Amino acid sequence: QTVLTQEPSFSVSPGGTVTLTCGLSSGSVSSSQYPSWYQQTPGQAPRTLIYNTSTRSSGVPDRFSGSILGKKAALTITGAQADDESDYYCVLYMGSGVWVFGGGTKLTVL
Amino acid sequence: EVQLVQSGAEVKKPGESLRISCKGSGYGFTSYWIGWVRQMPGKGLEWMGVIYPGDFETRYSPSFQGEVTISVDESINTAYLQWNSLRASDTAIYYCVRRDYDHLLGSYFHYFDYWGQGTPVTVSS
Repeated sequence: QTVLTQEPSFSVSPGGTVTLTCGLSSGSVSSSQYPSWYQQTPGQAPRTLIYNTSTRSSGVPDRFSGSILGKKAALTITGAQADDESDYYCVLYMGSGVWVFGGGTKLTVL
Repeated sequence: EVQLVQSGAEVKKPGESLRISCKGSGYGFTSYWIGWVRQMPGKGLEWMGVIYPGDFETRYSPSFQGEVTISVDESINTAYLQWNSLRASDTAIYYCVRRDYDHLLGSYFHYFDYWGQGTPVTVSS
C-alpha cells in the first residue's frame, strides 16, 4: 500500500520561511501525481491551499507556494504568520480515481 | 455559491447501521465527483472513496473497500456514506469533498476544491 510521508511536526518563527515536504515510501513524487496541499486548523474542516503541484487555490495568500524538491512535493510558507499555525496535509492522485493522503505536519509558529 | 452541507452528528452502538449525507448546492451536482474523507480522533485525514453522480461509478480506497458503501440520490443532489454494522473504530469525523473540474480543458482536476463541514460519528456501547 502506498504511504506518503510528511514531517510529523515543524516550527517556524513569525516572519520566517518553512518548507514542508511529502515523500513516497517507494519512489519519487512527480507532477504527474498532481500534488495538492490542505490546511486544517483545530475544529475546522480542511481548506484547499495548492493543487497541480504549485497552483494556489482561490483566495490563498501568495506566501504559500508549492513545488517539487528533489523526490518530494513541497509546501513553502514565506513570511509565516501566527494564523498559519495549523496541520498541513499533502495528497497525491494515484490514477484511476484513487487518492492518498499524507500523515500531516503540525506547524507551530513561535 | 458552491456548498456541501452534511448531516448532523450521530451517536450509535456497535452493530448498528448508519447512513450520513452530503447535499451539494450551487453547481451541477451530477457533473462533479464527490468523495469522502475520514479523520479519526486526533489523527490525520484518510481518503475513503469517490462517486460520480452522473453514472454512479464508484472507487474505493483498499482500506475501506467492503467496509462502507458510497451512493448518491441525484434527484436531491445528495451523496451518502453508509455502514451496515458499525464498530467502535468507526468513531471519527467524516468529510465530503468535491473533485474540481477544469472547464477550459473539459477534464477533471485531481484535487478537492470544496469540503463539507464534517459529520462526527461516535460509536460506543
